[in-house]
Amino acid sequence: GQQVMQIPQYQHVQEGEDFTTYCNSSTTLSNIQWYKQRPGGHPVFLIQLVKSGEVKKQKRLTFQFGEAKKNSSLHITATQTTDVGTYFCAGRSGSARQLTFGSGTQLTVLP
Amino acid sequence: SQTIHQWPATLVQPVGSPLSLECTVEGTSNPNLYWYRQAAGRGLQLLFYSVGIGQISSEVPQNLSASRPQDRQFILSSKKLLLSDSGFYLCAWSRTSGGYGELFFGEGSRLTVL
Repeated sequence: GQQVMQIPQYQHVQEGEDFTTYCNSSTTLSNIQWYKQRPGGHPVFLIQLVKSGEVKKQKRLTFQFGEAKKNSSLHITATQTTDVGTYFCAGRSGSARQLTFGSGTQLTVLP
Repeated sequence: SQTIHQWPATLVQPVGSPLSLECTVEGTSNPNLYWYRQAAGRGLQLLFYSVGIGQISSEVPQNLSASRPQDRQFILSSKKLLLSDSGFYLCAWSRTSGGYGELFFGEGSRLTVL
């Protein structure tokens, strides 16, 4: 079955430093979504990427979808304490109805 | 606007006891509904999903079951809980058309089996 791997599992950064999490799929994806889960909270949708090589930005967050549509990344510039949480990628293959989630990257931002 | 309610928020149950978690969605019709489990510090494991009343697909064989008695109601059950059933259970819904197919999650139910 489809597998989505995400690295690193944990990341500690000093406030103001950059952060990147990477997502790799065992199969070609039709689209990929990113979610953020604050400590003790539930995942919240951030964005969806559909096109090969697509890049989208949300303020300090930059999302990329690989040319082969099998990998993706989320980059945060100049982290803030409000960025703390676990970031998940989730991919969908073909016409599949369900998403396969990566294991998540837990980000800690030290003030 | 659409909202999703999930309860109870927290529960502690002995091994072998039954379980019932309930989820309801408001403000939309005919949603896709999902149950996920998240073990401590881990990713999201899809347990069940439903595309309509009485239609349940199981992703992982286990001692849990799901039912959808009404269009916007999704229930997760177990007859006898195991220690390994402990975790954070999340209900979610998505639109059947339009949008990105993104998931909207409930607040979650934290289950501890002792």
